[in-house]
Amino acid sequence: DIQMTQSPSSLPASLGERVTISCRASQGISNNLNWYQQKPDGTIKPLIYYTSNLQSGVPSRFSGSGSGTDYSLTISSLEPEDFAMYYCQQDASFPLTFGSGTKLEIK
Amino acid sequence: EVQLVESGGGLVQPGRSLKLSCAASGFTFSNYYMAWVRQAPKKGLEWVATISTSGSRTYYPDSVKGRFTISRDNAKSSLYLQMNSLKSEDTATYYCARLGGKAYWGQGTLVTVSS
Repeated sequence: DIQMTQSPSSLPASLGERVTISCRASQGISNNLNWYQQKPDGTIKPLIYYTSNLQSGVPSRFSGSGSGTDYSLTISSLEPEDFAMYYCQQDASFPLTFGSGTKLEIK
Repeated sequence: EVQLVESGGGLVQPGRSLKLSCAASGFTFSNYYMAWVRQAPKKGLEWVATISTSGSRTYYPDSVKGRFTISRDNAKSSLYLQMNSLKSEDTATYYCARLGGKAYWGQGTLVTVSS
């Protein structure tokens, strides 16, 4: 199974700040890496697929990058609605696996 | 507009069964693999099952293999999850999802396994 190690688990940040969340796979996943945002009410919003492709309607301040085993999600300038949980997920092979999540909090 | 609406959650005793449903709309359901993902209270996301477009191929993690069965009815644009021999650790919100590429998730349905 491919393990996904996500960091940090908690990220205090301020409005307007640039932040980066990292995700490391236990083996190469050939860019098959997706990112999701979860709000406190449980709503899950897909953000990015295949490392760097924005889902429809996702603001351009979100971006993704990476290759091999190391991937990242960057938010260029934090807006109030960005404070939420973020998860990475690999779909290179079954079983599909998620990172443990990053809680983006207001500093 | 794509919509995925789960139903069938509730309180169930350990060892019993429950079947979840997901009604899909706004896209050609039969063209997409579909999945179930769950989230235990205060925990992260866990993939539960995936089914191919025709339903001929299914995939499960070891944690549910042999107990859960994913199925679909393309004529009804519906996805199902039959859960047998339920355990307390199956307590979670279960999400129906179209994963990969242009992804969509439902709002989830809560399953509580308790005596």
